[in-house]
Amino acid sequence: NAGVTQTPKFQVLKTGQSMTLQCAQDMNHNSMYWYRQDPGMGLRLIYYSASEGTTDKGEVPNGYNVSRLNKREFSLRLESAAPSQTSVYFCASKGTLGLPSYNEQFFGPGTRLTVL
Amino acid sequence: DAKTTQPPSMDCAEGRAANLPCNHSTISGNEYVYWYRQIHSQGPQYIIHGLKNNETNEMASLIITEDRKSSTLILPHATLRDTAVYYCIANPNFGNEKLTFGTGTRLTIIP
Repeated sequence: NAGVTQTPKFQVLKTGQSMTLQCAQDMNHNSMYWYRQDPGMGLRLIYYSASEGTTDKGEVPNGYNVSRLNKREFSLRLESAAPSQTSVYFCASKGTLGLPSYNEQFFGPGTRLTVL
Repeated sequence: DAKTTQPPSMDCAEGRAANLPCNHSTISGNEYVYWYRQIHSQGPQYIIHGLKNNETNEMASLIITEDRKSSTLILPHATLRDTAVYYCIANPNFGNEKLTFGTGTRLTIIP
């Protein structure tokens, strides 16, 4: 049981390049989330998916797209990276209503992205 | 979601109880108080949550005032591994699944 996994762990991009951050969970959770964390700041929600086939914007969605590929996987895409998107990106998932883990978001280890 | 206010930093001696305060004076009736922590640069970790009654689990205790305008997270016997940033979040438990993280309290456990 790996929990929430993210790839890659580190990435350096040049301005204008694109990339996709991958996230997968093996806990059969319905809800998945993407957050970013800038230095010295708390986490800010980019996008979330309450269930397979649905996605919604969070606090800071501009410059990002997401895909809920299936129940396990939720990817985040930067179409044209900008230096302002330099950050640590965390993926999370949340348990299903009725299960003990419903109140808890489980976080992955993060992807550290630098845009030059 | 209601705004929460926490002190930016606190120290606590190893082995003593760490008491982390949080103000949430505008909390609404359907909002729970959640606590998460983030150790170094890892992903945040859930600690505990509550609505109006005090709660205890294997990690911590949560004391919520009767008027629900503030709460305290208690780590009963702090260890060096409890050094982390602690986030207090007010969030409805149903319908709104988005967590709003502030800047939290940086707790340092001193040997």
